[in-house]
Amino acid sequence: KAGVTQTPRYLIKTRGQQVTLSCSPISGHRSVSWYQQTPGQGLQFLFEYFSETQRNKGNFPGRFSGRQFSNSRSEMNVSTLELGDSALYLCASSLDLGPLRFFGQGTRLTVV
Amino acid sequence: GEDVEQSLFLSVREGDSSVINCTYTDSSSTYLYWYKQEPGAGLQLLTYIFSNMDMKQDQRLTVLLNKKDKHLSLRIADTQTGDSAIYFCAEIGSSNTGKLIFGQGTTLQVKP
Repeated sequence: KAGVTQTPRYLIKTRGQQVTLSCSPISGHRSVSWYQQTPGQGLQFLFEYFSETQRNKGNFPGRFSGRQFSNSRSEMNVSTLELGDSALYLCASSLDLGPLRFFGQGTRLTVV
Repeated sequence: GEDVEQSLFLSVREGDSSVINCTYTDSSSTYLYWYKQEPGAGLQLLTYIFSNMDMKQDQRLTVLLNKKDKHLSLRIADTQTGDSAIYFCAEIGSSNTGKLIFGQGTTLQVKP
């Protein structure tokens, strides 16, 4: 059974640009959550989607947005990139509210 | 608010047992987790425990939960060099399930 797939694995963007990251959950999983990992702030929750609806949102500015498609794949978008957005972005998938949450390998975003 | 605390570093000798500790503040936590992160990789789910359990054992891993003190520990028996990684404790916060609250991570160094 394939795991959580995140693409791309690495990205380099310039300040002011926007970026879209993709996450394909484990087959049959309908919940996708996104997290940002930085050395200074650690792992912080961005948002959670279930059945194409945002169910939960973390404390991030409106430049961070996401969506989920009918096949449960999710994308997150960051507009007007800042240097501080450089981070590892991780996506987690789960069936629903059950305990098992599996993470992808992450997308390493570098903003220059 | 919800908070999870871990010590930052632990060094052990190969073959010894490792014990990684974690404290949390949310008394309404339903599940508590241990994740492992190797360099350049995503988060690997090691084990989890339901909040009404005291202990869970899975091969070399033993999780102990003291709900009264809000203390969680992970014991790794016969620690190997391949266990060197960062270990994260996490809980499902009470305010909205689906959102994982992570500790800062404990770097485990295993010396041969």
